[in-house]
Amino acid sequence: EDQVTQSPEALRLQEGESSSLNCSYTVSGLRGLFWYRQDPGKGPEFLFTLYSAGEEKEKERLKATLTKKESFLHITAPKPEDSATYLCAVQDYNQGGKLIFGQGTELSVKP
Amino acid sequence: NAGVMQNPRHLVRRRGQEARLRCSPMKGHSHVYWYRQLPEEGLKFMVYLQKENIIDESGMPKERFSAEFPKEGPSILRIQQVVRGDSAAYFCASSLLDRAREQPQHFGDGTRLSIL
Repeated sequence: EDQVTQSPEALRLQEGESSSLNCSYTVSGLRGLFWYRQDPGKGPEFLFTLYSAGEEKEKERLKATLTKKESFLHITAPKPEDSATYLCAVQDYNQGGKLIFGQGTELSVKP
Repeated sequence: NAGVMQNPRHLVRRRGQEARLRCSPMKGHSHVYWYRQLPEEGLKFMVYLQKENIIDESGMPKERFSAEFPKEGPSILRIQQVVRGDSAAYFCASSLLDRAREQPQHFGDGTRLSIL
């Protein structure tokens, strides 16, 4: 059964304190791994798609990497506006187009 | 704004009533997905639809829940005879193609359903 586990559940950082969020996954055939950001009362906002091990993508202070078992979302010198819940999801070739989500990591960045 | 539009944003129903949630996909998108987010739980897939077709309903409860995406108009998620356990945030997502690269699912801001 496909499974996605994110850690930590919550992360508190000081502004400028870099860190990483982890997403471990089990999937029979990975079509894609997706990172989303979700603010309170809002829907998930798309950040990145990764398709194969070794792939990396960057956007401003965020950088996503992928191995055969996990993905990391690195946050460099975060700002308070980066505070949100970060969601990881996978698509399985054998499961059609649906996304299988992890529980999310709630990030809080204090000034 | 050409994003995914969901309405209503908040819906309150009494036990036994019907709830209808609407989703208009992004312009040009013909694939619609519904997800449910229960309190303290992650997003769970419910159903995947294309115009006039249900492609995958493996996440949909067997009773009381139905979904449609007609040729014209928004996609509708319908919950009959609602119970307290149906209280959740329901999100709709759309994509241009389901299997093409660089075509992620884009989400609306959800409908928060509360059952009294």
